[in-house]
Amino acid sequence: EIVLTQSPATLSLSPGERATLSCRASQSVSSYLGWYQQKPGQAPRLLIYDASKRATGIPATFSGSGSGTDFTLTISSLEPEDFAVYYCQQRSNWPLFTFGQGTRLEIK
Amino acid sequence: EVQLLESGGDLVQPGGSLRLSCAASGFIFSNYAMDWVRQAPGKGLEWVSTITGNGADTYYADSVKGRFTISRDNSKNTLYLQMNSLRAEDTAVYYCAQDISGYPSVWGQGTVVTVSS
Repeated sequence: EIVLTQSPATLSLSPGERATLSCRASQSVSSYLGWYQQKPGQAPRLLIYDASKRATGIPATFSGSGSGTDFTLTISSLEPEDFAVYYCQQRSNWPLFTFGQGTRLEIK
Repeated sequence: EVQLLESGGDLVQPGGSLRLSCAASGFIFSNYAMDWVRQAPGKGLEWVSTITGNGADTYYADSVKGRFTISRDNSKNTLYLQMNSLRAEDTAVYYCAQDISGYPSVWGQGTVVTVSS
């Protein structure tokens, strides 16, 4: 099983700041990595797929990078609605995909 | 607009059974694989099961293999998850999702399953 480790567990920032979230895979997943946002009481929403492609309707403030085992989700300038939990997910050995444990992005 | 609506969640005793449904609309249902993903209270996301568009192939997480069965009725645009021999650790919100290229891309709002005596 491919294990995804996200860091940090919690990130405290202020609106307008830049957020950088990390996801590391236990083995190479090529570019088959996605990022999801989940707000309290809501279902997750796909933000990024294939490491760097934005899903439909996702603003350009969200960007993804990386390949192999190390990946980054960057939010260039935080809006109040961006504070949420973010999960990475690999589909390298689809359909046996796995999620990271999540990073909580909170308002400082 | 793609919409997914889960139903069937309930309080059930350990060892009991439950069938979840997911009604799909806004896309050609049979063209897409579908996923079930769950989230235990206060925890992260866990993939549960996937079924291909024609229903010919099914896949399960080890934690549910042999107890859960995924199926679909493409004539009714509906996805199912039959859950047997339920355990306390199966307590979670269960989401169905449209699988696009291996990513759960559109999610339903979820249905709550509680396993407790």
